[in-house]
Amino acid sequence: GAGVSQTPSNKVTEKGKYVELRCDPISGHTALYWYRQSLGQGPEFLIYFQGTGAADDSGLPNDRFFAVRPEGSVSTLKIQRTERGDSAVYLCASSPDRGNTEAFFGQGTRLTVV
Amino acid sequence: SQQGEEDPQALSIQEGENATMNCSYKTSINNLQWYRQNSGRGLVHLILIRSNEREKHSGRLRVTLDTSKKSSSLLITASRAADTASYFCALKGNTPLVFGKGTRLSVIA
Repeated sequence: GAGVSQTPSNKVTEKGKYVELRCDPISGHTALYWYRQSLGQGPEFLIYFQGTGAADDSGLPNDRFFAVRPEGSVSTLKIQRTERGDSAVYLCASSPDRGNTEAFFGQGTRLTVV
Repeated sequence: SQQGEEDPQALSIQEGENATMNCSYKTSINNLQWYRQNSGRGLVHLILIRSNEREKHSGRLRVTLDTSKKSSSLLITASRAADTASYFCALKGNTPLVFGKGTRLSVIA
């Protein structure tokens, strides 16, 4: 596709369940970012991939959060034992290099934990 | 803190007026970027200014950067109702792109 694609666009899950959020970056983009955004706040950095490796995962809030990018393209953000506080919009972005040019964002996945 | 801080938090103006938003930061940067967000979903890149640049223009947008004061401003001239959105500055230094909390702009027709 032409842009960054995130699926699903909305996800409602019960507290304690496991969820996976998917991001398809723009083809050829080596850098991929995950952010989390709560209402009225700016995007909060979670993790950054350069190729297949997590170059910086310092934003992951705890060990319930994990992300992979096994082939350097599609990435999956995984959240175990979800909590109500995990409810937010999860944004993915990709960039053709190490961030010295613009980042292209997907439309996000709105996660609601009930 | 590595994130930028936008000022004001909210701004309401009449259509046709100019809107100015500021971003202050504390760390060294390679570049500073401005993004726009409608309805709390995907962000759209507006303009990137590198640390060795002082001013850039794109259409009705003008961005300045003062690295000595660690601040940037975004000026939208001749605003339109369609400019209503949240605007964020994002810093690129030795860390991944870090966003501020944004300025919510309302342009009243």
